[in-house]
Amino acid sequence: EVQLVQSGPEVKKPGESLKISCKGSGYSFTNYWIGWVRQMPGKGLEWMGIIHPSDSDTRYSPSFQGQVTVSADKSISTAYLQWSSLKASDTAMYYCARHAPYCSDDICYTGGIDYWGQGTLVTVSS
Amino acid sequence: SYELTQPPSLSVSPGQTARITCSGDALPKKYAYWYRQKSDQAPVLVIYEDSKRPSGIPERVSGSTSGTMATLTISGAQVEDEADYYCYSTDSSGYHWVFGGGTKLTVL
Repeated sequence: EVQLVQSGPEVKKPGESLKISCKGSGYSFTNYWIGWVRQMPGKGLEWMGIIHPSDSDTRYSPSFQGQVTVSADKSISTAYLQWSSLKASDTAMYYCARHAPYCSDDICYTGGIDYWGQGTLVTVSS
Repeated sequence: SYELTQPPSLSVSPGQTARITCSGDALPKKYAYWYRQKSDQAPVLVIYEDSKRPSGIPERVSGSTSGTMATLTISGAQVEDEADYYCYSTDSSGYHWVFGGGTKLTVL
C-alpha cells in the first residue's frame, strides 16, 4: 500500500527556520517525483515544486522559487520542504504528493498526483 | 504564468448532472487531472489523464476534454458529492504544474 506520512503540526515565530518531512513507503521511492502543495486557510491548492529523489532534479513554481527549498534523502525515502525565515503569510496546510508517470511511444513523462500525504499544518505567529 | 480557470461554484439538485469546467491553453496537449477535497481532508484523485477513473471512484464520475477545456461530469449527483473540485495540469513546457482555482459543488 502506497503511503506518504508527513511530520506533525508546527507552531513557529516569524523569522524562524523550519523543515517538514514526508516519508514514502509501499513503492519504489526513487522512481516517482514528489511534490509539495500549499493550501492557505480557506483557499485553494497551490503547486510549490517537485523533486525526483533519484537525482534530486528539482522544479519550482515561479511563485515559490527562492522562498522555500525542496530536498530529498533517498536513503530513507523522505522528502523535505524547508524555510530559512518564516513569515506570518506562510501559515498554511502543506501537502506532499506523489506524481505518477505516464508513457507514450516508449517515452515516459511526469504525470499528475496520484497519492497525497495527510498534510502538515504550519502556523507562524508572534 | 500559466493558469487554469474554473468556475468558483456550482449548485445542482440531487440526481442532476454536475459539469465542472477547467480551461487552459495547454490542455489540448497536456493531460488534465481532477481532485475532490472534502472539508478538512486531503484531496483525492477522481480522474487522471483526462478521462481515466482510479479504482474506487464510481462510474458516474467521468472526465473529458475538448480543445482548451477539460470537464468533470458527475451524473446523478448525490449529497456525498458535495466538495471542492480542482483541476491540475502542466504548462506547455511540462515543467511547471498548476491547479485551477477550485469549484465548490453544492448538492441540495
